[in-house]
Amino acid sequence: DAGITQSPRYKITETGRQVTLMCHQTWSHSYMFWYRQDLGHGLRLIYYSAAADITDKGEVPDGYVVSRSKTENFPLTLESATRSQTSVYFCASSFQFMNTEAFFGQGTRLTVV
Amino acid sequence: GQQVMQIPQYQHVQEGEDFTTYCNSSTTLSNIQWYKQRPGGHPVFLIQLVKSGEVKKQKRLTFQFGEAKKNSSLHITATQTTDVGTYFCASGNNRLAFGKGNQVVVIP
Repeated sequence: DAGITQSPRYKITETGRQVTLMCHQTWSHSYMFWYRQDLGHGLRLIYYSAAADITDKGEVPDGYVVSRSKTENFPLTLESATRSQTSVYFCASSFQFMNTEAFFGQGTRLTVV
Repeated sequence: GQQVMQIPQYQHVQEGEDFTTYCNSSTTLSNIQWYKQRPGGHPVFLIQLVKSGEVKKQKRLTFQFGEAKKNSSLHITATQTTDVGTYFCASGNNRLAFGKGNQVVVIP
């Protein structure tokens, strides 16, 4: 089924472990984004990508790493998870940046214990 | 990036009444997008405004973009229980930045 999918939907990990959140879209959209959502902070941009092999930092990039070797995939890695990274993570994609809507995945709820 | 601020952060609205949520910026915005997120769900695109003074309607929802392109509003009439959720505005040139959202609770 076409769309944007995130995996896993739920993840519990321990402090200090590396964890990767996956995002896959089937529309061949150029732009992809990672956001985290925390109470009182809305949606904060972590990283975004304009095309394969092109990524850039957003508002809160520290502690996160992204890659985009293929247009359809945009994984987000927490290199050494901390409790402050407990959050709901949303991946989104859009055809082009300006004047087009962003489509969001279902989200990944990550808990770091 | 273009930062947007939303007010109010929370609203309790009686079913059947109208309400408005606002999105403001200190700088001129290239465009403004509105999204709705239902409780437990993901943000879903509602509309985009690009032109100064633009007004768009979607059934009971009216979206406005200010003349100076520094503010926007979403007005909902005859609120229904299905309007519950968080409404976000977003804007940006090279990064799509979201406001903190307006969480709306509908009182039956």
